[in-house]
Amino acid sequence: EPEVTQTPSHQVTQMGQEVILRCVPISNHLYFYWYRQILGQKVEFLVSFYNNEISEKSEIFDDQFSVERPDGSNFTLKIRSTKLEDSAMYFCASSERQEGKLFFGSGTQLSVL
Amino acid sequence: SQQGEEDPQALSIQEGENATMNCSYKTSINNLQWYRQNSGRGLVHLILIRSNEREKHSGRLRVTLDTSKKSSSLLITASRAADTASYFCAVDGGATNKLIFGTGTLLAVQP
Repeated sequence: EPEVTQTPSHQVTQMGQEVILRCVPISNHLYFYWYRQILGQKVEFLVSFYNNEISEKSEIFDDQFSVERPDGSNFTLKIRSTKLEDSAMYFCASSERQEGKLFFGSGTQLSVL
Repeated sequence: SQQGEEDPQALSIQEGENATMNCSYKTSINNLQWYRQNSGRGLVHLILIRSNEREKHSGRLRVTLDTSKKSSSLLITASRAADTASYFCAVDGGATNKLIFGTGTLLAVQP
């Protein structure tokens, strides 16, 4: 069964450093998302992406965050200058159509020290 | 916020019993979905119910939706220890291109 893959599974970084989280969505999917989850709590929406542009973003997704689909397969989330409060599990998801079910990757656990 | 809120926050039952989790939301929706998350893992889609549907079944899962009360319930029948996980509802609110997840119910099924 096709799946969403995320790398790395764990990322440790120093406060102020830039990180790039990578995702390979399912190949025929058109809608892409990033979510994050802090310490097993609620799953928070960050951003949705369709047709090579951001469709919607949350208040969390400030100027420090950016997304890109550089080569038609990878979908990346960049945090320019990490803060302690950015420590969380980051999930990538994709769907075939709007209002459809989401397929999630296994997540990247980001730890900012 | 159109965020879903699940209750109870935690539920512990014996294997073989039924588990019922509830979800309430605040705005109009196109559909409501339920997801499962095993500890430290990604979310897995369980079932989607559209706003014009009232009940849906998938295996041991039964989902109901009451749009007048803005609420949904997920019933897992004949639970198994392997059903132990967190369960989240998520709402898709109209023209937005996002799912908003609730706070989740942690289900523990004791063997």
